[in-house]
Amino acid sequence: QVTLKESGPGILQPSQTLSLTCSFSGFSLTTYGIGVGWIRQPSGKGLEWLAHIWWNDNKYYDTALKSRLTISRDTSNNQVFLKIASVDTADTATYYCARIAGGNFDYWGQGTTLTVSS
Amino acid sequence: ENVLTQSPAIMSASPGEKVTMTCSASSSVIYMHWYQQRSSTSPKLWIYDTSKLASGVPGRFSGSGSGNSYSLTISSMEAEDVATYYCFQGSGYPFTFGSGTKLEIK
Repeated sequence: QVTLKESGPGILQPSQTLSLTCSFSGFSLTTYGIGVGWIRQPSGKGLEWLAHIWWNDNKYYDTALKSRLTISRDTSNNQVFLKIASVDTADTATYYCARIAGGNFDYWGQGTTLTVSS
Repeated sequence: ENVLTQSPAIMSASPGEKVTMTCSASSSVIYMHWYQQRSSTSPKLWIYDTSKLASGVPGRFSGSGSGNSYSLTISSMEAEDVATYYCFQGSGYPFTFGSGTKLEIK
């Protein structure tokens, strides 16, 4: 059974760095063709892909946010991490992690909400 | 960036009515995928590889299309289909989602 669960700080002040963790089970991030990605959704708005990391440690980022994003993994503990530098109010959103296989995100976590406020 | 334009943004249908929503890509893609998101829940993979139904998806749903133009069809609207549907392309970077079609029931 594939499961993913996100965790994060809940609230940050502008200019701080956001650190998110995705803990997963039911698959290995060392299996060929498997990846884990991050997607966010501001309240009442659409989905925005941010980044993902593949089984071979290749990493891809959204073009507009690339300078602020860092994705990494711990394959031993089945975790993927995302850092977003210098957050501001526009980063307030629900952040999802999801497994990618066969070109689509087939399993999603429940999401973790972030509020950026001074 | 491959921009995905969904239409309509909002639509409503009566029970039993046929529903069709579209997704237009600014650049051709190999496959289109669709997600269903009900209120306050995580998105669920609904249709993948353009026309394949994800596990548990009712047979009244179908997907079709090629190149730049794709669609999701519900043959007979039911109350449980109320949700927002997003198209998604993972054919090229950056990955992109459409802005969604919100489906309501009359």
